[in-house]
Amino acid sequence: DIQMTQFPSSLSASVGDRVTMTCRASQDIRDELGWFQQIPGKAPKRLVYSASTLQSGVPSRFSGSGSGTEFTLTISSLQPEDFATYYCLQHNSVPYTVGQGTKLEMK
Amino acid sequence: EVQLVESGGGLVQPGRSLRLSCAASGFPFEDYYMSWFRQAPGKGLEWVGFIRSNAYGETTEFAASVKGRFIISRDDSKSILYLQMNSLKTEDTAIYYCVRDSKDTSIIPRPFDYWGQGTLVSVSS
Repeated sequence: DIQMTQFPSSLSASVGDRVTMTCRASQDIRDELGWFQQIPGKAPKRLVYSASTLQSGVPSRFSGSGSGTEFTLTISSLQPEDFATYYCLQHNSVPYTVGQGTKLEMK
Repeated sequence: EVQLVESGGGLVQPGRSLRLSCAASGFPFEDYYMSWFRQAPGKGLEWVGFIRSNAYGETTEFAASVKGRFIISRDDSKSILYLQMNSLKTEDTAIYYCVRDSKDTSIIPRPFDYWGQGTLVSVSS
């Protein structure tokens, strides 16, 4: 199975900050990775697919990068609605696996 | 508008069975692979399994934690996805999400763009 190591597990930041979170795959997954945002009590929402393509309707302050084994999600200028938990998810091979999550909290 | 609406969750005793349904609308259901994910209380997301489209034999794949106990099926005539959960364990307690996977003819898969609201399954005596 492909292991997805996501870090940091939590991140404290302020509105306007630039933040970055990382996912590392245990083997090459090409660009077959998505980033998801989950607000408590809600279903996850896809932000990025194919590692770096922004989902339609997602603000341009979000960006994804990487390929192979190292991936990042960056929020260029945090807004109040961005405080949530973020997950990376690989679909290169079965079983699909998910990072442990990064909880973004307001400082 | 794409919609996925799960139903069938509830409280069930360990060892018993439960079947979840997911009613899909707003897209050609028969052309898509479909996945189930779950999330235990206060925990992260876990992929449960998926079913390929009819054109690809409606074959299924599962996570090791549910393989042999869970069955995924689909009724394309009704646009409904099912998750049959057998021999339930307390660790199966979670919110279960129905998720649109990739279009079956996609050269570049772009899965998990739509998620249902989830249905809670509680396994307890």
